[in-house]
Amino acid sequence: DGGITQSPKYLFRKEGQNVTLSCEQNLNHDAMYWYRQDPGQGLRLIYYSQIVNDFQKGDIAEGYSVSREKKESFPLTVTSAQKNPTAFYLCASSARTGSGGANVLTFGAGSRLTVL
Amino acid sequence: GQQVMQIPQYQHVQEGEDFTTYCNSSTTLSNIQWYKQRPGGHPVFLIQLVKSGEVKKQKRLTFQFGEAKKNSSLHITATQTTDVGTYFCAGTGANNLFFGTGTRLTVIP
Repeated sequence: DGGITQSPKYLFRKEGQNVTLSCEQNLNHDAMYWYRQDPGQGLRLIYYSQIVNDFQKGDIAEGYSVSREKKESFPLTVTSAQKNPTAFYLCASSARTGSGGANVLTFGAGSRLTVL
Repeated sequence: GQQVMQIPQYQHVQEGEDFTTYCNSSTTLSNIQWYKQRPGGHPVFLIQLVKSGEVKKQKRLTFQFGEAKKNSSLHITATQTTDVGTYFCAGTGANNLFFGTGTRLTVIP
């Protein structure tokens, strides 16, 4: 079945440590996204990538980094510079960005990060 | 920057009552999408509206896109316990989607 796989589902980290969240899709989608979800704040865009080896900052990119070396993979690193990293992280993909229907998002199941 | 406001933030209804959530954008949207997130789950795409004044129905759910393409609504008729979750609108502006803050629906049996 086609879909998006995120791992790990739950992750605990000590302050000062970097952590990398994995996101893999087999939908052959060009675009991939990372969102952060906090209670009562909806979904906020961290980074997105429209094509391999290219990515752009979203609304809250500070303290995060990404790479897009393969079409299927878009890992997110939460660095020690992120002041409040405890959150639910959602990876998504779409056929393309922009309007016209190609930007419908398919989400992964999410990764819940807790900083101790 | 572009913002999409969604109200109400929370809604509790008795099973069988109707429910409506509203979405308003500060700018004209190319299209609007609606997603549902069950408790503990991830957002799942419900529908996309593209045309000014468009109305679409999915069983008990009715989606509307405003004439000016700046607002949208989702109406659920005769809610059921399976409708529980958070409903998000997401508008497409210049490039990316902008999500509303969501409306969390609780259905009391």
